[in-house]
Amino acid sequence: GESVGLHLPTLSVQEGDNSIINCAYSNSASDYFIWYKQESGKGPQFIIDIRSNMDKRQGQRVTVLLNKTVKHLSLQIAATQPGDSAVYFCGLESGGSNYKLTFGKGTLLTVNP
Amino acid sequence: KAGVTQTPRYLIKTRGQQVTLSCSPISGHRSVSWYQQTPGQGLQFLFEYFSETQRNKGNFPGRFSGRQFSNSRSEMNVSTLELGDSALYLCASSLNPTANYGYTFGSGTRLTVV
Repeated sequence: GESVGLHLPTLSVQEGDNSIINCAYSNSASDYFIWYKQESGKGPQFIIDIRSNMDKRQGQRVTVLLNKTVKHLSLQIAATQPGDSAVYFCGLESGGSNYKLTFGKGTLLTVNP
Repeated sequence: KAGVTQTPRYLIKTRGQQVTLSCSPISGHRSVSWYQQTPGQGLQFLFEYFSETQRNKGNFPGRFSGRQFSNSRSEMNVSTLELGDSALYLCASSLNPTANYGYTFGSGTRLTVV
């Protein structure tokens, strides 16, 4: 079955720096790969997703890169701000009749002022 | 518009008891999924309901069950609680995730089993 893993459980960066959060996955017939952000006391919030037939997608200050050859997904946050401090999860969607969303364990991003 | 509402926010139960958690999805959303979140295991899929039918189930024991009502509200039940069931239980709703409409999560119910 699918599994999703994060490379680092924690990441600490200085305000204004760029952040890169990495994620690896195994065996996937997924249509979508998704990044969520979870702030303390809240549920996960959608950030950005990418179709499996794409290798890059950009949003506001965020970029997701997908490398299907090595089964690697990354989230880049430009000019990281204190409000970006949160746990970030990557996830992959398994479609069809057994639809579900499988998450990695998350990376805690801490932004130092 | 109102988001996904989960009640109660916090719950303390004793081992052996049972518990029922409630989730009200965003108006118009027909799919409701449940996840268990723990520090050690992260977010783990419990089950997904669409139009009152369970479409998929994760690898949890039969003590975990759920249902969805005609108004799309959903409940999950855990019987014979164990200490290891202590977790944040998250509900997420979607118009139809198989059509890639995406999920919106609630803030969760924090269950503590003592």
